[in-house]
Amino acid sequence: EPEVTQTPSHQVTQMGQEVILRCVPISNHLYFYWYRQILGQKVEFLVSFYNNEISEKSEIFDDQFSVERPDGSNFTLKIRSTKLEDSAMYFCASRLQQGWEQPQHFGDGTRLSIL
Amino acid sequence: DAKTTQPPSMDCAEGRAANLPCNHSTISGNEYVYWYRQIHSQGPQYIIHGLKNNETNEMASLIITEDRKSSTLILPHATLRDTAVYYCIQETSGSRLTFGEGTQLTVNP
Repeated sequence: EPEVTQTPSHQVTQMGQEVILRCVPISNHLYFYWYRQILGQKVEFLVSFYNNEISEKSEIFDDQFSVERPDGSNFTLKIRSTKLEDSAMYFCASRLQQGWEQPQHFGDGTRLSIL
Repeated sequence: DAKTTQPPSMDCAEGRAANLPCNHSTISGNEYVYWYRQIHSQGPQYIIHGLKNNETNEMASLIITEDRKSSTLILPHATLRDTAVYYCIQETSGSRLTFGEGTQLTVNP
């Protein structure tokens, strides 16, 4: 069964450094998402992306964050200058098409640890 | 904030049916109810979704009340591997999923 894959599984970065999290969505999916989950807390929406542009973002997704689909298969989340509070699990999701009848499918996440 | 309410925890004996309730009293006419689960810190796993009719797939059944204000997820023969946090989500914007606290289901041997 097709799945969303994320790399790396664990990323350790010094505070203030840039980090790029990578995702390969399911191949025929058109809508892409990033969520995060701070340890012990709820899964939170960050951003959705369609047709090479952001379609929705949360208040968490500030100017330090950016997303890109550089090559038609990968979908990346960049944090420009990481802070301690960015430590979390980051989940990528994809969806075949818009519409409430199509579920989002999630990857297994990247654990980001900021030192 | 999540608009669904679920019990924080439930227990079930292995091999028995697990029935997980969810209240979504503010659901609008064209909103679906989605169920996901999360095992440890893995990514949320899609289980099933529905609008107003009952649904069944290889993982579970979803029973939605006639007034659509509540639903029940049924795992017909729970196994130890079904121990997870189960989320009932009423999709409000057509885009983002808003996760609540979910129900921690523990399947006991």
